Amino acid sequence: GAVVSQHPSWVICKSGTSVKIECRSLDFQATTMFWYRQFPKQSLMLMATSNEGSKATYEQGVEKDKFLINHASLTLSTLTVTSAHPEDSSFYICSAPFPGRGHDEQFFGPGTRLTVL
Amino acid sequence: AQSVSQHNHHVILSEAASLELGCNYSYGGTVNLFWYVQYPGQHLQLLLKYFSGDPLVKGIKGFEAEFIKSKFSFNLRKPSVQWSDTAEYFCAVNARSGNNRKLIWGLGTSLAVNP
Repeated sequence: GAVVSQHPSWVICKSGTSVKIECRSLDFQATTMFWYRQFPKQSLMLMATSNEGSKATYEQGVEKDKFLINHASLTLSTLTVTSAHPEDSSFYICSAPFPGRGHDEQFFGPGTRLTVL
Repeated sequence: AQSVSQHNHHVILSEAASLELGCNYSYGGTVNLFWYVQYPGQHLQLLLKYFSGDPLVKGIKGFEAEFIKSKFSFNLRKPSVQWSDTAEYFCAVNARSGNNRKLIWGLGTSLAVNP
């Protein structure tokens, strides 16, 4: 099956610093990737859609200057949390649709646990 | 607005008990329906999906779900659960509306199966 990896799996940082999270499709190419945020005991919230070769599409209420997304290649998308604050602490998950199956079936990365002190 | 509602937030069962997790969605158009599972410490993975055709869908590990269009429901079932089914279960809907094809997620149901 398709594999999506994320790095790092967890990160602890000081308030005010920036953190970059990588999402890679390991055995397929993904022109689109999705970034989600999951709070404890809550559902996944779509933050943005990352598009290779063009700007990301952000969901309503998500600050694009706060959460920078770069889809550098057909296998890599990065999410940078700029000037992180404790309220940004969360579980960040990326996903990618498998080619040929439309956007309807997504494969998920293992997630990145961000803790901002 | 489109939404997905999962009826049970926490379910505790003994092994061999039957399972049914409710999922309802609100959207009047064509939908694709999914159940995802997240085992402890692991990433989300697809359990089963419905796109079209037979409304009774069979997934991995003995799970099945039935799409009832008139009830806007897509309930997940398993006749006999095992301890290894302990996990978080998410229902998701992809509403096909123009170019907007994002997944809408339920809040999830935490299932604990006691051996």
